[in-house]
Amino acid sequence: DGGITQSPKYLFRKEGQNVTLSCEQNLNHDAMYWYRQDPGQGLRLIYYSQIVNDFQKGDIAEGYSVSREKKESFPLTVTSAQKNPTAFYLCASSAGRAGELFFGEGSRLTVL
Amino acid sequence: GQNIDQPTEMTATEGAIVQINCTYQTSGFNGLFWYQQHAGEAPTFLSYNVLDGLEEKGRFSSFLSRSKGYSYLLLKELQMKDSASYLCAVRDVRDYKLSFGAGTTVTVRA
Repeated sequence: DGGITQSPKYLFRKEGQNVTLSCEQNLNHDAMYWYRQDPGQGLRLIYYSQIVNDFQKGDIAEGYSVSREKKESFPLTVTSAQKNPTAFYLCASSAGRAGELFFGEGSRLTVL
Repeated sequence: GQNIDQPTEMTATEGAIVQINCTYQTSGFNGLFWYQQHAGEAPTFLSYNVLDGLEEKGRFSSFLSRSKGYSYLLLKELQMKDSASYLCAVRDVRDYKLSFGAGTTVTVRA
């Protein structure tokens, strides 16, 4: 079945370490997105990509990095520069920039 | 940018109707989405409005007034499984980014 796969589902990291969250989609969607969700807050956009080899910063890109070398893959790296990385991270994709978003199951990152 | 407001919590009885309001301010509107999110899970798409009026889809309906910067999601014949967070999201015409409100947690009681 088509969908979006995020891994790992749960991740623990020590302060000062970088960590990479995987996001893979087989929906043949052009656009992919990374959102962060904190309790009591809406989803906040970290990075998005509307085409392979191109991506743009969202509203809270500081301390994060991404790449889009393949259409189906959009990994997110949470670097040690991110001051408060503990959160629920959601990857999404859409057929075009105006389409609805389809979300992965999320990755919950906890910094110890 | 976007400024999206929706109530934090609502409680209703099984079988009843609940209306979740969403107001927004944007310099370039290009559509409004409603998503449902159960605790610890991914959001799932419920409805999309880009023109004024009511969109009905089974027990769920969504209304939009662009001139008022206002939308609502109507949930009818509430079931226990409808207990979830409901997210309002607005798309910006300039960059097609989708911005989300903080969500409304609906609790359905027997």
